[in-house]
Amino acid sequence: QVQLQQWGAGLLKPSETLSLTCAVYGGSFSGYYWSWIRQPPGKGLEWIGEINHSGSTNYNPSLKSRVTISVDTSKNQFSLKLSSVTAADTAVYYCARGLGSSGYYPFYYYYYYMDVWGKGTTVTVSS
Amino acid sequence: AIQLTQSPSSLSASVGDRVTITCRASQGISSALAWYQQKPGKAPKLLIYDASSLESGVPSRFSGSGSGTDFTLTISSLQPEDFATYYCQQFNSYPRRFTFGPGTKVDIK
Repeated sequence: QVQLQQWGAGLLKPSETLSLTCAVYGGSFSGYYWSWIRQPPGKGLEWIGEINHSGSTNYNPSLKSRVTISVDTSKNQFSLKLSSVTAADTAVYYCARGLGSSGYYPFYYYYYYMDVWGKGTTVTVSS
Repeated sequence: AIQLTQSPSSLSASVGDRVTITCRASQGISSALAWYQQKPGKAPKLLIYDASSLESGVPSRFSGSGSGTDFTLTISSLQPEDFATYYCQQFNSYPRRFTFGPGTKVDIK
């Protein structure tokens, strides 16, 4: 059973860099995309970005200028860095595994969904 | 980018009720839609993928239907543990990007 364990600093000051890491246990690291998602207090889910085992990344355009996601395949880990944080970055941050699926009804599709999630890390930005 | 809307944004229901939540995509996405359940203080949990496929271990009272632009999550008989917020999710391939619906909160009537 695949499990994701995440950790990182929970309290930051404005302008600092958020840094979180997610470790994958009990399953293959390759063949998937690994995502970071965040949820501000009382709000919905926002996808931050993803990486695969080869290091190929994709980011949400709204955060792209401040986000770096990296991978350490030797440890089955991937990490998130978000620079120049403000109070608006206060949120619970989740890591998740992206699984691809395809089908033909009513027309061909290929997409990803998230089947395994970490427990979340609360990050607060405050002076 | 494809946008998702959900209705209602919240609803109150009683144990045993049949509950239906709708997700609408701004353009056709075939059956490429997933549904998640999130309880307070917990991570989202996958319920349905490919619009209607039940994730392993999820109770059969949950079902998904729809294709194209209109999708439905149905709880056939609401249980106490089902009070939560439900999100739909779609995926853009080019460029790669996940999008979640705004969520539907189901609480006790």
